Amino acid sequence: DGGITQSPKYLFRKEGQNVTLSCEQNLNHDAMYWYRQDPGQGLRLIYYSQIVNDFQKGDIAEGYSVSREKKESFPLTVTSAQKNPTAFYLCASSSGLEAGEKLFFGSGTQLSVL
Amino acid sequence: DAKTTQPTSMDCAEGRAANLPCNHSTISGNEYVYWYRQIHSQGPQYIIHGLKNNETNEMASLIITEDRKSSTLILPHATLRDTAVYYCIVRSRIGKLTFGTGTRLTIIP
Repeated sequence: DGGITQSPKYLFRKEGQNVTLSCEQNLNHDAMYWYRQDPGQGLRLIYYSQIVNDFQKGDIAEGYSVSREKKESFPLTVTSAQKNPTAFYLCASSSGLEAGEKLFFGSGTQLSVL
Repeated sequence: DAKTTQPTSMDCAEGRAANLPCNHSTISGNEYVYWYRQIHSQGPQYIIHGLKNNETNEMASLIITEDRKSSTLILPHATLRDTAVYYCIVRSRIGKLTFGTGTRLTIIP
């Protein structure tokens, strides 16, 4: 069954702790993205990657880091520098970056601060 | 980035066609109109997208006005499972999604 898998579904972070959100896709897509969604709001782009070993900052990259060592995987680390990390995090992928290429989303990870 | 405007909420009777409007008056020539829907605490589900022409797939139809300043998503035979928040999105390159306010569609039995 092809798609995007995010884990865990729920994650809790303590003060000063870094946490990593997993995103794996088996769609053979080159481009992958991380978005943040706050209650009642739309999605904001954190980071995106067009190809393995390359990634770019989105609109709200401060306090986050990513890696793209494999085509299938694009993990997101929420660092202690992110002062307001509580949000719903969504990973997406597309075959490329062009506007006509649709994004497919994972089921999301809800991150909360203890 | 072009912004979109949608009604906050709509109701539709089960089995009837649901018509969801969207205004995107500042859309530029290379931006696509996308529709996604989201059920609480799940990832957005792709529905349909288009540039200039009307589009139809197994889920819905997308009607884009000639001046591209507005569009309508049509769910031809709404079911209870279509209850969700529907987002009209204008997409430029680099996956940048400019979300509207979303329409909370409720299908009434």
